[in-house]
Amino acid sequence: GAGVSQSPSNKVTEKGKDVELRCDPISGHTALYWYRQSLGQGLEFLIYFQGNSAPDKSGLPSDRFSAERTGGSVSTLTIQRTQQEDSAVYLCASSLGSTDRYNEQFFGPGTRLTVL
Amino acid sequence: GDSVTQMEGPVTLSEEAFLTINCTYTATGYPSLFWYVQYPGEGLQLLLKATKADDKGSNKGFEATYRKETTSFHLEKGSVQVSDSAVYFCALRRTGFQKLVFGTGTRLLVSP
Repeated sequence: GAGVSQSPSNKVTEKGKDVELRCDPISGHTALYWYRQSLGQGLEFLIYFQGNSAPDKSGLPSDRFSAERTGGSVSTLTIQRTQQEDSAVYLCASSLGSTDRYNEQFFGPGTRLTVL
Repeated sequence: GDSVTQMEGPVTLSEEAFLTINCTYTATGYPSLFWYVQYPGEGLQLLLKATKADDKGSNKGFEATYRKETTSFHLEKGSVQVSDSAVYFCALRRTGFQKLVFGTGTRLLVSP
């Protein structure tokens, strides 16, 4: 079956512009995660959605970052007024659920964001 | 806070050599531990995991044992192949939490 998909695969933008990154999780997965992979910081957690519960936003680095998940499926990560330090690969993952038996995270291929 | 430390790479080996990639962690309580692998051009994949002390995770010839006394989860393989060339990430997840905390990754290069 289809895995986690992300779009676009590459995004180049100018400093100060807003960007939207999209994630389509595996069908039936109720949990969705965003991570960021950058040279300076490694792989960092950004945000986690589980069903209809309030998301865990504890990893978002600033209020320029936000994410939503519509209809319990597709998620969009938005970065406003992009800065050069936002350049990174943004990874999305999903899991069947949040209990130990079902919380293996399956990752998408990522979106490479370059801010000029 | 929680953290994972892994050896810096790249690790360069010849085919059929023995592999060890060191990983140690700092965390509250008893986290679950993972090794993920990222092959060139592909997404992260779970390689193996262990959820409690002394558990051994294994997959595709790779093994790692959860050592609470040394807070370690070293990855080993007895005989590497060229196809094992990839970046390997050690990670933990604290009990009751969902986010993964990753190490910085170790690139493995295996030559024929």
